[in-house]
Amino acid sequence: AQSVAQPEDQVNVAEGNPLTVKCTYSVSGNPYLFWYVQYPNRGLQFLLKYITGDNLVKGSYGFEAEFNKSQTSFHLKKPSALVSDSALYFCAVRGGKNTGNQFYFGTGTSLTVIP
Amino acid sequence: NAGVMQNPRHLVRRRGQEARLRCSPMKGHSHVYWYRQLPEEGLKFMVYLQKENIIDESGMPKERFSAEFPKEGPSILRIQQVVRGDSAAYFCASSPSTGLSYEQYFGPGTRLTVT
Repeated sequence: AQSVAQPEDQVNVAEGNPLTVKCTYSVSGNPYLFWYVQYPNRGLQFLLKYITGDNLVKGSYGFEAEFNKSQTSFHLKKPSALVSDSALYFCAVRGGKNTGNQFYFGTGTSLTVIP
Repeated sequence: NAGVMQNPRHLVRRRGQEARLRCSPMKGHSHVYWYRQLPEEGLKFMVYLQKENIIDESGMPKERFSAEFPKEGPSILRIQQVVRGDSAAYFCASSPSTGLSYEQYFGPGTRLTVT
């Protein structure tokens, strides 16, 4: 079965410091991995995706993510955090045998950037 | 190009009433997905529709819930005889294609409260 784990419910980081939001996945076959961000009372906004190719994927707002097949991870990173990055972040996976087109989402990680 | 539209944004229903949630996909998108988000949880897939067809409803509760995406007009998620446990945020997403590499674009959600 397809699944995603976000081991940290909450991540706090000081403004200007690098941030990492962790995600591990389980899927049979090749994974299609995505990161979304959700601001309060808003829908999810797409940040970036890994389909194939380079393991380091660059996305919106200066975010990037590294696909690591051996560790089945897809951690979200940013070199220098901004207060405006404070939000809820979701990792999602699609693909695998005998699955539909839906996303399987993690439970989310709340990021707080401290001024 | 307007994004995914959902209405109403907030809906309050008494137990036993019906709830109708509407979703207009992005222009040019013919694939619609409905997800439910419960407090402290990630999004859970409910149903995937194309125009006039339900493609995958494996995430839909067997009773009281139904969805449609008519040839003309928005997609409708209908919950009959609502119960307190139906209180959640319901998100609609659309995509231009069925390919697994395509991201989905999310609407702002409808927050249903059952009193």
